[in-house]
Amino acid sequence: KNEVEQSPQNLTAQEGEFITINCSYSVGISALHWLQQHPGGGIVSLFMLSSGKKKHGRLIATINIQEKHSSLHITASHPRDSAVYICAVKSSGDKLTFGTGTRLAVRP
Amino acid sequence: DGGITQSPKYLFRKEGQNVTLSCEQNLNHDAMYWYRQDPGQGLRLIYYSQIVNDFQKGDIAEGYSVSREKKESFPLTVTSAQKNPTAFYLCASSRGGSYNEQFFGPGTRLTVL
Repeated sequence: KNEVEQSPQNLTAQEGEFITINCSYSVGISALHWLQQHPGGGIVSLFMLSSGKKKHGRLIATINIQEKHSSLHITASHPRDSAVYICAVKSSGDKLTFGTGTRLAVRP
Repeated sequence: DGGITQSPKYLFRKEGQNVTLSCEQNLNHDAMYWYRQDPGQGLRLIYYSQIVNDFQKGDIAEGYSVSREKKESFPLTVTSAQKNPTAFYLCASSRGGSYNEQFFGPGTRLTVL
């Protein structure tokens, strides 16, 4: 069993829909990251959080430390949101453990 | 502009040849990392360095080597001992420590023919 599990693996949505991507982890962590990877391959850090909730534009990330679970929400989704979204946890030292990603396609 | 650069974006090599991937950052970050990404798998850590002239093996270091002679640079050499070198390689950097986020470069796609 992977230390970091994401669901769903693939997600297709219509433009404007509200999207939720989930991440569960099995170890104690100091921080959790949400990353975005576009088709070209480069990765952008969206959020780093250790408790509560963060919001940036149409993106919202929440984390429940007791339940070892985080969610990434996208409101009013747009085709430009199409990407792979990756959850990563920092559990020991400075190293990250990554989920396998959720591939999102938003159709116009 | 501050950021991380990796070159080249695409690299082709014949089997049995060593190849060095470049990673440079001008963010004044102490820590640097090399990851490998394969289809259907999460990123896996190859090597990391928390300070100049020091580096540690990650989860899949066999067949790879690194150096950290300058704070800005952390080149990765894929040696002929790496059994399956074709992959997408990502470099990252951070200020170091548990609460600092990592910033990623654009990646190098290596294909060994």
